[in-house]
Amino acid sequence: AQTVTQSQPEMSVQEAETVTLSCTYDTSESDYYLFWYKQPPSRQMILVIRQEAYKQQNATENRFSVNFQKAAKSFSLKISDSQLGDAAMYFCAYRSAGYLTFGTGTRLTIIP
Amino acid sequence: ETGVTQTPRHLVMGMTNKKSLKCEQHLGHNAMYWYKQSAKKPLELMFVYSLEERVENNSVPSRFSPECPNSSHLFLHLHTLQPEDSALYLCASSLVGDNSPLHFGNGTRLTVT
Repeated sequence: AQTVTQSQPEMSVQEAETVTLSCTYDTSESDYYLFWYKQPPSRQMILVIRQEAYKQQNATENRFSVNFQKAAKSFSLKISDSQLGDAAMYFCAYRSAGYLTFGTGTRLTIIP
Repeated sequence: ETGVTQTPRHLVMGMTNKKSLKCEQHLGHNAMYWYKQSAKKPLELMFVYSLEERVENNSVPSRFSPECPNSSHLFLHLHTLQPEDSALYLCASSLVGDNSPLHFGNGTRLTVT
């Protein structure tokens, strides 16, 4: 079974600084997709960024980028120029064979 | 407009009650999901419907009963729940295919007393 591990339950960053959230996963599949979701207090899970395992190039979406290391099964999220609106729970997720498996999440606090 | 709408937003029910959670998606998706989110635990996949057929039932107790009358609507019928069933229940939808991300609703916060 696939597992997703987020080893940082909580992180904090100064506004306008950069922060990196860690994620590792375990799988025997070669073809899969990875996602980062954000869950603000409104509770809705919002897609932040996604990465196809067959692509070597790291995905980027405005201030959000990933460092995807397939051999190490690592998928970290970098948030640049952190803003107050980035405060939320961040979940790493793995998808293969139709099923999406989530990590336990990292609570990100932005310090003004 | 989130694209995926869940009602009610909050629900308090006794252990002997029967209630239903509703989910509706306006995104043209053909797969729908129920997830359970409890504190300090990963989201747990409960049920998956693909093209209106149930394709996954992750050993969920029979007191939870899903229904998917069409590709836009999903229900979760609740009956004789336990206090440990208190959680946030999230509905999601997507297109069939691993490259299609899931889109989530705002969830129903369920409290069983």
